[in-house]
Amino acid sequence: AQSVTQLDSHVSVSEGTPVLLRCNYSSSYSPSLFWYVQHPNKGLQLLLKYTSAATLVKGINGFEAEFKKSETSFHLTKPSAHMSDAAEYFCVVILYSSASKIIFGSGTRLSIRP
Amino acid sequence: AAGVIQSPRHLIKEKRETATLKCYPIPRHDTVYWYQQGPGQDPQFLISFYEKMQSDKGSIPDRFSAQQFSDYHSELNMSSLELGDSALYFCASSLRGRTSRDYGYTFGSGTRLTVV
Repeated sequence: AQSVTQLDSHVSVSEGTPVLLRCNYSSSYSPSLFWYVQHPNKGLQLLLKYTSAATLVKGINGFEAEFKKSETSFHLTKPSAHMSDAAEYFCVVILYSSASKIIFGSGTRLSIRP
Repeated sequence: AAGVIQSPRHLIKEKRETATLKCYPIPRHDTVYWYQQGPGQDPQFLISFYEKMQSDKGSIPDRFSAQQFSDYHSELNMSSLELGDSALYFCASSLRGRTSRDYGYTFGSGTRLTVV
């Protein structure tokens, strides 16, 4: 069975400090992995994606993620948090199958302290 | 660049009324997905369509139905609305096959349905 686990439901960091949002996956197929961000009352915005090219992926707004096959992880990081980063973040697995189903993690709420 | 368009953005309905949500995919995308996101919840897959045929079904209530039209836009019809149907409804579109896996899915901004 395929699944996505976001290890923290809530992360709080101070402005200017590093951000780490953790995501582990399990998949029988070679996965495509994505991070989406959702600001309050807004839609889902793609931050970055891994599709079997470089294992270190750079996204928008200074975020990046590293695909580690041995650890089945795809953690999202940012060197320095900004107040505007406060939002809900979803790790997503997209399977290459005839159904092409999207599997969402349960989300991590990122809070930024002044 | 064109994105996924959903309408309306906000909708308020009373219990037992009906509602129709619309989704216009990115041009040339042939697959549409519907998701429901309740307050504080992660998105739950409802139903998907490929080339105007239902391709997959998730946790969609029997009171809901959906279809994809010849121009690839999709409509989600919701009847006998209940308070618990209040949620943000997302639509996503993709192009079936390796392209969708490589490039991901594009989501609309959602329709916020409030049932009172």
